[in-house]
Amino acid sequence: DIQMTQSPSSLSASVGDRVTITCQASQDIGNYLNWYQQRPGKAPKLLIYDASNLETGVPSRFSGSGSGTDFTFHITNLQPEDVATYYCQQYDNVPQATFGGGTKVEIK
Amino acid sequence: QVQLQESGPGLVSPSETLSLTCTVSGGSINNYYWSWIRQPPGKGLEWIGYIYYRVHTSYSPSLKSRVTISADTSENQFSLKLISVTPADTAFYFCARARGGGIQDHWGQGTLVTVSS
Repeated sequence: DIQMTQSPSSLSASVGDRVTITCQASQDIGNYLNWYQQRPGKAPKLLIYDASNLETGVPSRFSGSGSGTDFTFHITNLQPEDVATYYCQQYDNVPQATFGGGTKVEIK
Repeated sequence: QVQLQESGPGLVSPSETLSLTCTVSGGSINNYYWSWIRQPPGKGLEWIGYIYYRVHTSYSPSLKSRVTISADTSENQFSLKLISVTPADTAFYFCARARGGGIQDHWGQGTLVTVSS
């Protein structure tokens, strides 16, 4: 099984700050890594696919990087509407596509 | 614009079968992969499985013995059946479209299924 370790589990930042979330895979997954945003009470929304590709319509303040086992997700210029839980997800060894534990982002 | 909507009972008795349907509009289920994902209240996401090209399926190893995903192309729907449920199966169940096998780019709003007597 591929385990995805996401950190931190929660963070609090100010509007305008840069936020960084990391995701580590237990084995090499190439670039088969996606990032999702889940606002309270809503379905997840795809933000980044294949580690670094911005999904159409997603603001450019969201970005992703990494390959192999170590991945990073950034939000630059944090906005109030970015309050959400963010999840990484690997799909290198479907049928066991696994999600990270999530990072809850709050505004100070 | 592709839209997905889950439907089915919100309450299932222990040891019974959970059955959900996802109705897709704005696109044909003959293309892409179609997934089920669940989320226990207050917890993280768990991928259940998917169906593609109408008949081919893949399931999470941890649920494989209890899960069946099928498709009805005439109704443009796909369905989830989970047998022998326990309270641990209580969760929000989401259906989603996946491209490339694992990129969930369109999601339903989710439906809460509670397993309780």
